[in-house]
Formats: sequence, C-alpha cells, structure tokens
Amino acid sequence: QSVLTQPPSVSAAPGQKVTISCSGSSSNIGNNYVSWYQQLPGTAPKLLIYENNKRPSGIPDRFSGSKSGTSGTLGITGLQTGDEADYYCGTWDSSLSAVIFGGGTKLTVL
Amino acid sequence: EVQLVESGGGLVQPGGSLRLSCAASGFTFRSYWMSWVRQAPGKGLEWVANIKQDGSEKYYVDSVKGRFTISRDNAKKSLYLQMNSLRAEDTAVYYCARDGLPFDHWGQGTLVTVSS
Repeated sequence: QSVLTQPPSVSAAPGQKVTISCSGSSSNIGNNYVSWYQQLPGTAPKLLIYENNKRPSGIPDRFSGSKSGTSGTLGITGLQTGDEADYYCGTWDSSLSAVIFGGGTKLTVL
Repeated sequence: EVQLVESGGGLVQPGGSLRLSCAASGFTFRSYWMSWVRQAPGKGLEWVANIKQDGSEKYYVDSVKGRFTISRDNAKKSLYLQMNSLRAEDTAVYYCARDGLPFDHWGQGTLVTVSS
C-alpha cells in the first residue's frame, strides 16, 4: 500500500488526452514538490516532470504537470502508442523522512 | 552525457551479503546527492537510501535500516550499497539515481535475487 495513491490503469485512444492523479497528504505533496517518471517496458524510469510542472530538456510539451493542495496530476495530450508505459509520481515525505512513490499507473493507448 | 552504470547484482542465499556499485560519468559526481531505488519483479518503485555529496548524511527506508549501508567514493566517482542479512523480499532490480529530488538520471539497474 503506497502512501501516494495513483489509479492502477488508464486508457485512451491515439491522439486523445489522459490525466493521471496522485493523491497524498500534507506531509508529502502538500508541502513538497511532485515529480513524475515514465517507465517504458523493460527500461529504467525516466524523469518527465519535476517541481510540479517543469519539464526537463527533451521532454515534449505534450506532457504537463500540476499540483493542487495534496494532489498532483500528470497530463498527456496527443497520445501516441509509444506513450504506453508505467507512470509514477514521487515526492519527499517529511513525516517519514523518506522519498516516496505512488504505486504506478499503467497507460494503455488503445 | 550523464551515465550511471550499476554492477554487483546476482543470486544470493537468504541471510547472505552483496555489494552493489554504481560508476558515474559525465557530471561532477561530488556535487550531487545520490540514491538507490529498487523495483521488485512486477511491482512499483521503492526508494532505498540516499547519501549527501560529502557522505556526511545518509537516509534509509525503514525496511533496510541496520542491514544496508550506502557509501560513496568521490575520487572514484562511485556509489555503493552494502547489503547484509538479505531477505527474499529484497529481490529486485536496484537502480542508481542522481538525486536532486527529483531523480533526473538513472542507471540501467542490476538484478538482485535472494533465494535458496
């Protein structure tokens, strides 16, 4: 059971938009930045979003992030089959003094 | 180009020990916190431990406290994870990651299997 709650799976058609939520509490998301990672099958995770809504160089603007209160959201527009992956949110938890991740969300592009 | 290359994984019996290494290149290693993150087969990501630039601060997830030790050698641009008293539940791919919270660069991972 992860401290951060993500939906196990989401799906949408190519070209459509999808959002993935990450719900936490005041000890983690509420007072710390959220980051998002993409893990393609059989590969290492890759940073997609940091500090709630910033994209590292090379990440297309189809990927966006936001935060409101104790929840973060990853948005992906113009879905492509290559976006099929597991997506994880992560942040620092001040009560646990530990980095925590959500349980992951599997994105299927139908 | 930032590169992180893990090594040292393998099959070990319960109660055994293993030392993982991570060789870093392409950035000023001594300037960054570093972390180990693991992923059990078919499961999600779990942060294991991190270490400050000069090694003066180290933090661990509760499940490995007292069994795992993170360390670094800035001269060799290397990160280590000494794992003792290994359990079946430690079976996972272990990733080395550059830790700026976020983890902006990851290695390819090394598989640790704890089984008799």
